Amino acid sequence: SQQGEEDPQALSIQEGENATMNCSYKTSINNLQWYRQNSGRGLVHLILIRSNEREKHSGRLRVTLDTSKKSSSLLITASRAADTASYFCATLFGNEKLTFGTGTRLTIIP
Amino acid sequence: DAGITQSPRHKVTETGTPVTLRCHQTENHRYMYWYRQDPGHGLRLIHYSYGVKDTDKGEVSDGYSVSRSKTEDFLLTLESATSSQTSVYFCAHSGGGRAYEQYFGPGTRLTVT
Repeated sequence: SQQGEEDPQALSIQEGENATMNCSYKTSINNLQWYRQNSGRGLVHLILIRSNEREKHSGRLRVTLDTSKKSSSLLITASRAADTASYFCATLFGNEKLTFGTGTRLTIIP
Repeated sequence: DAGITQSPRHKVTETGTPVTLRCHQTENHRYMYWYRQDPGHGLRLIHYSYGVKDTDKGEVSDGYSVSRSKTEDFLLTLESATSSQTSVYFCAHSGGGRAYEQYFGPGTRLTVT
């Protein structure tokens, strides 16, 4: 069963705009991670936020975590054409295994 | 480059034949994983390894077996391939510890006819 579910499933925005995607999960977690996947490629780790953190930044990425609502959001500011990809959240709880959501497909329109 | 390669990158095989996919990492990481990716399902864990000869099942392990005789190599075997195993297979590795960030290979597209 999927632990994380991303929303929306697909998102199209103009270049330069901000993109926000959300992830909800079901059980308590140790950390939550976001990954990017370009078409035909493997996943690339973007950012990790621990359960005791509420917000984290990395370049144009901002991740928030609300453990009371069991949800996280990924904000990409000033989007670029190269940001076109699928984005997955993944949760780690208790052991070494990550559980991935089904992803948000982001399209940046030049 | 995440220090991880997969072979072959593409394979077409017939139902009932055995298939072995290879994953090779150069980072000396303890943990390695095999996932399959299908439309509408995201990534699902098949098997993982936490050391040489130490493996465990994931969410969708039926019909698959794995072996890890060396730190750098993790093999996934489909004993008798079925059409439902047509998928893209990804290998990943992780240094473990508190973070468990994973680094993925480029994937193997397997088609079972």
